[in-house]
Amino acid sequence: NAGVTQTPKFQVLKTGQSMTLQCAQDMNHNSMYWYRQDPGMGLRLIYYSASEGTTDKGEVPNGYNVSRLNKREFSLRLESAAPSQTSVYFCASSEMANFMGYTFGSGTRLTVV
Amino acid sequence: QKEVEQDPGPLSVPEGAIVSLNCTYSNSAFQYFMWYRQYSRKGPELLMYTYSSGNKEDGRFTAQVDKSSKYISLFIRDSQPSDSATYLCAMSVGNTDKLIFGTGTRLQVFP
Repeated sequence: NAGVTQTPKFQVLKTGQSMTLQCAQDMNHNSMYWYRQDPGMGLRLIYYSASEGTTDKGEVPNGYNVSRLNKREFSLRLESAAPSQTSVYFCASSEMANFMGYTFGSGTRLTVV
Repeated sequence: QKEVEQDPGPLSVPEGAIVSLNCTYSNSAFQYFMWYRQYSRKGPELLMYTYSSGNKEDGRFTAQVDKSSKYISLFIRDSQPSDSATYLCAMSVGNTDKLIFGTGTRLQVFP
């Protein structure tokens, strides 16, 4: 049982480049989330999706877009990367009907130079 | 003021010590309380889950919720070097799956 899988694990981008972070879960969860984690700032919600076909902004959505491709997959896109987006990105999923917290992926460590 | 406050530490203790990690919160509607453990360069993993007030024990770990004081604690008995990690508290309002996280407390247990 893989849980939540994120790719890639590491990425270095130049300012202005674009990229998509991929996330997939195999637990049949309805809700999926994208967080960024920075030293001293904790986890900050970027976007979330309560169900397939719906997405909503979180606390820090500027500079990001998301796609809930199907129930399993939720991708995060940086259209024009900036050094301020250097961070560790975590995807998570949960099931409201039997809520037992979030299951997190192992993270993507992104550096924008 | 943040909804959830957590001392960032670091907290450094000798092996075998009893560790107390704490969070305070301001929203009286919170009903579900969790503790996540995050090892360096890994994702957070759920450690303890409690509903409403009271204590819950799992091995060397005890989670305690005091809703009257808006205060939750995680106690670790006989701490081990393998407990060295960042511990994040999280809580949610009932009937939603929106979690509010603390910023995390870094714990180091030295041999």
